[in-house]
Amino acid sequence: KAGVTQTPRYLIKTRGQQVTLSCSPISGHRSVSWYQQTPGQGLQFLFEYFSETQRNKGNFPGRFSGRQFSNSRSEMNVSTLELGDSALYLCASTAGGPGELFFGEGSRLTVL
Amino acid sequence: AQRVTQPEKLLSVFKGAPVELKCNYSYSGSPELFWYVQYSRQRLQLLLRHISRESIKGFTADLNKGETSFHLKKPFAQEEDSAMYYCALDYTGTASKLTFGTGTRLQVTL
Repeated sequence: KAGVTQTPRYLIKTRGQQVTLSCSPISGHRSVSWYQQTPGQGLQFLFEYFSETQRNKGNFPGRFSGRQFSNSRSEMNVSTLELGDSALYLCASTAGGPGELFFGEGSRLTVL
Repeated sequence: AQRVTQPEKLLSVFKGAPVELKCNYSYSGSPELFWYVQYSRQRLQLLLRHISRESIKGFTADLNKGETSFHLKKPFAQEEDSAMYYCALDYTGTASKLTFGTGTRLQVTL
């Protein structure tokens, strides 16, 4: 079965712009989580959506937002980009209960 | 607040030598602990979880609540074990909101 798919894989933006990243989970998975990975802070949890509702949220400013559609696909949006937002953004899906997280390959965002 | 500490950024061992990747956590409740691994040019993937109490690719990890540790061990390292290893803690029970350590790069040399 197809794995977690993230688009775009790479993108470059300038400060002040906004960006939208997309994630298609494994078929049948209803939970999608987003993580930010940077060399300095490592992997940090952004938020999780389950059945179109935000179920968990990390400690990121309101510029970071997300949503989930009825087909479980998810998007995350970062507004008013800052240099420090440059990172690899990972999406992961799971069926919804305790278990294994399946990660995508990530979207690498560079903010100039 | 919950935290996961992996004290070593890099662990270099010879092939055939024992491996121990250290992980300590801080959380007052009963967490679920995981080890995730990322091989070169591959996705981050689950290696093992403490409640399974199983050995995966020769690796084992025991949860020590007294020492709040979840060290990953393998008696004989193989070249293919070279990878980035992340210890992670789940306190929500959903396995989605994980607190990750900063990771340890394991380098197995001949």
